[in-house]
Amino acid sequence: DAGVTQSPTHLIKTRGQHVTLRCSPISGHKSVSWYQQVLGQGPQFIFQYYEKEERGRGNFPDRFSARQFPNYSSELNVNALLLGDSALYLCASSFRLAGGGGEQYFGPGTRLTVT
Amino acid sequence: GQQVMQIPQYQHVQEGEDFTTYCNSSTTLSNIQWYKQRPGGHPVFLIQLVKSGEVKKQKRLTFQFGEAKKNSSLHITATQTTDVGTYFCARRGTNAGKSTFGDGTTLTVKP
Repeated sequence: DAGVTQSPTHLIKTRGQHVTLRCSPISGHKSVSWYQQVLGQGPQFIFQYYEKEERGRGNFPDRFSARQFPNYSSELNVNALLLGDSALYLCASSFRLAGGGGEQYFGPGTRLTVT
Repeated sequence: GQQVMQIPQYQHVQEGEDFTTYCNSSTTLSNIQWYKQRPGGHPVFLIQLVKSGEVKKQKRLTFQFGEAKKNSSLHITATQTTDVGTYFCARRGTNAGKSTFGDGTTLTVKP
């Protein structure tokens, strides 16, 4: 079975532009989370969606938004890009919203560079 | 929020030596997760601990949750070059997909 997939792999954007990142969860997983990982730091939680509803939002500005589609895939949108948005954006899927062993499975990430 | 702090930031060992990384919190944790991220890769879930004093083993890896549930450790016995990477601890939030990560310990292993 395929793991979590993300596209694109790499992206270079200019300040002020917007970007859309895409994620497909593991088949059967209904929860998708987005994380931002800046070089040298741990992933920082941005959003979680479960059954197409937002179930959590981290400490990120309103320039960041996301949505989940009926097939449980997800998009992360970032508007008015800043140099500080340069990071690895990770998508993670999990089967349950709560309980269980707590496993979440990460995709390979999208490396965003803002110039 | 409930932050988790990891020490050391970096650890360099000779192959065959043991390695330990520590995760600390100023508040009681309901759970602690451990992840491994290889260079250029993505985090891979290793384990979740929820019980006070819990100890779990995965081959050469031993995970421990403190009695007060404010700290945790990951110990690797007889490191191998395949152990290279950054090890993160994380606190899982109310929902399974909402974790707060530490900044990790990066392990390098000299053959």
